[in-house]
Formats: sequence, structure tokens, C-alpha cells
Amino acid sequence: EPEVTQTPSHQVTQMGQEVILRCVPISNHLYFYWYRQILGQKVEFLVSFYNNEISEKSEIFDDQFSVERPDGSNFTLKIRSTKLEDSAMYFCASSDKGGYYGYTFGSGTRLTVV
Amino acid sequence: GESVGLHLPTLSVQEGDNSIINCAYSNSASDYFIWYKQESGKGPQFIIDIRSNMDKRQGQRVTVLLNKTVKHLSLQIAATQPGDSAVYFCAENRLRYDYKLSFGAGTTVTVRA
Repeated sequence: EPEVTQTPSHQVTQMGQEVILRCVPISNHLYFYWYRQILGQKVEFLVSFYNNEISEKSEIFDDQFSVERPDGSNFTLKIRSTKLEDSAMYFCASSDKGGYYGYTFGSGTRLTVV
Repeated sequence: GESVGLHLPTLSVQEGDNSIINCAYSNSASDYFIWYKQESGKGPQFIIDIRSNMDKRQGQRVTVLLNKTVKHLSLQIAATQPGDSAVYFCAENRLRYDYKLSFGAGTTVTVRA
């Protein structure tokens, strides 16, 4: 069964540092997403990406965040200057029809900012 | 604003019994609902979905019921097994407006042997 692959599985970084979280979506999917989950809380939408541009973003996705699809297979989330409150699980997801038939989520990257 | 939430944060069920997990949503514009299962250290895993033009949908050992009148969604798991222990989230999608999912807070299901 096709999977969404995320790397690394764990990332520890110092406050103020830049991090890049990487994702390989399912190959024939066209819509890509990042979500995050602070420990013990619900999953929150960050951003959706389609046709090489952001289609929607949440209030969480401020100027410190950016996304990129640098080639035909990878989808990245960059946090320019990490804060303690950025510590969370970050999930990448992809879908083939804009989410109508559900997403496939990756296993996540646990980001710890110290 | 809209919200999707679950009635109970935890549910303990005896192995073999049926489980019912509830979810209330407040946005009448929601078109599509999904139940996800999340095991520890993993991403949300799709269980079953339902469109707003339906009130019931069945899968393997799972049934989702949608009551649009009271904006209520439930997931029924038949013959609950130890492998069903996880956090269950309902999520909604407003297809006419966007493609993002809005998740509820989650119910932790623990299956007792």
C-alpha cells in the first residue's frame, strides 16, 4: 500500500535555529498538506499546497514557516527561527482529489525545540 | 466559529464488546466527515468516511452514523479487539470552501482483556 514518508522521525533543535522537515507524498497525489499536533492535543491544519503554490494556510502558518516542492517527489516544511512552542509532531499528508476521499498521513516528525 | 469535538476524552471497553465513539460538530456547511485512528507514535490512519448526503455507512467491523439534524457523528466498532486501542479523531471537510480537515480533540479507547 502506498505510503507518505517523512524524515527525520525525530529532530531536536535549539531555539532560533532553522529546521527543514521532509516528506515524500504518494507519487500520483496532487494535493499536499502539513499538520501539527502538540502533545496531547488535536491535530491542527497548517497549510495546503497544490499546483506548486499554497492554496490555504492557517493562522499558525506565519512568516516563520514556508513550504516547497523542490522536485517531483519531495515536499518540505521549513521553520526559519524555531521557538519553544514549535515543539510538536508534524504530519505531512497527501491526497489525489483535494481531500474528498480522505488523506494519507505520514508517521510524522517529532520536533523538539530546546 | 466551527468546531469538531468528541463527547468523551476516554473510553474503556471490554474485549469483544461493541464501542461507540461520539463526535459533535457545529458547522452545518460541513460536507464530508472522516474517522481516523491514531496509534502511539504514528500518524492518523483513515478508518471510514461519510458524505453529508448519507446517514450511515458500514465498513469492516465499523459503522459511521451521521445525524445532520443534531450535528452528530458516531463511530461504532463491533467486537472490539486489543488492536483497536488507540486515539480516535473525527474530522470534517467543507468541500465547497476548502480542502483542509478540522479535527476534533480525540477519544482514547482502551480495550480491557
